[in-house]
Amino acid sequence: AQSVTQPDIHITVSEGASLELRCNYSYGATPYLFWYVQSPGQGLQLLLKYFSGDTLVQGIKGFEAEFKRSQSSFNLRKPSVHWSDAAEYFCAVGALAAGNKLTFGGGTRVLVKP
Amino acid sequence: DSGVTQTPKHLITATGQRVTLRCSPRSGDLSVYWYQQSLDQGLQFLIQYYNGEERAKGNILERFSAQQFPDLHSELNLSSLELGDSALYFCASSETGGNNSPLHFGNGTRLTVT
Repeated sequence: AQSVTQPDIHITVSEGASLELRCNYSYGATPYLFWYVQSPGQGLQLLLKYFSGDTLVQGIKGFEAEFKRSQSSFNLRKPSVHWSDAAEYFCAVGALAAGNKLTFGGGTRVLVKP
Repeated sequence: DSGVTQTPKHLITATGQRVTLRCSPRSGDLSVYWYQQSLDQGLQFLIQYYNGEERAKGNILERFSAQQFPDLHSELNLSSLELGDSALYFCASSETGGNNSPLHFGNGTRLTVT
């Protein structure tokens, strides 16, 4: 069975600073990987996805993520955070079995200091 | 706005009761998913439907059931409610049931069992 670990429960960054959120997955085959963001009182919004090909993927809101098979990682980055980036971020891995079951990590809550 | 509509937004009920959560998928999406989000368990996949048929099952309790109707809306029924069922229940939809089809989440139904 697949699993996802997000080692950092909380991260605090200053506005304008860079951000990197860690994600490690466990899956026996080539994974489908996703990053979602959840703002307070909202559902999850897809930031970006990796299926195959270029290991550096670009997403919405200026985010990017890099798939590193050797490290089983899919870290999310943003060069310069904005106050509106304060939210909870979830990494997820998709199964290759029937259906489209996503397994989510525990999430990382990002706080942005002015 | 993801296009996925969930009703009601909030639900407060007593232990032992039964409730029904409703989800309308994005226009054109054939697959519907239900997830439970709680502080202790995080985001847990419950069940997936594709075009009216059950496609994948996760950690869904026997007291819970779901269905997808011919018009593609879905309902999640929770019965014999316990305090531990208090959580945010998300519905998501995708165009197909495959694992390269990104999920679009509704804003959730917050269930409080007292």
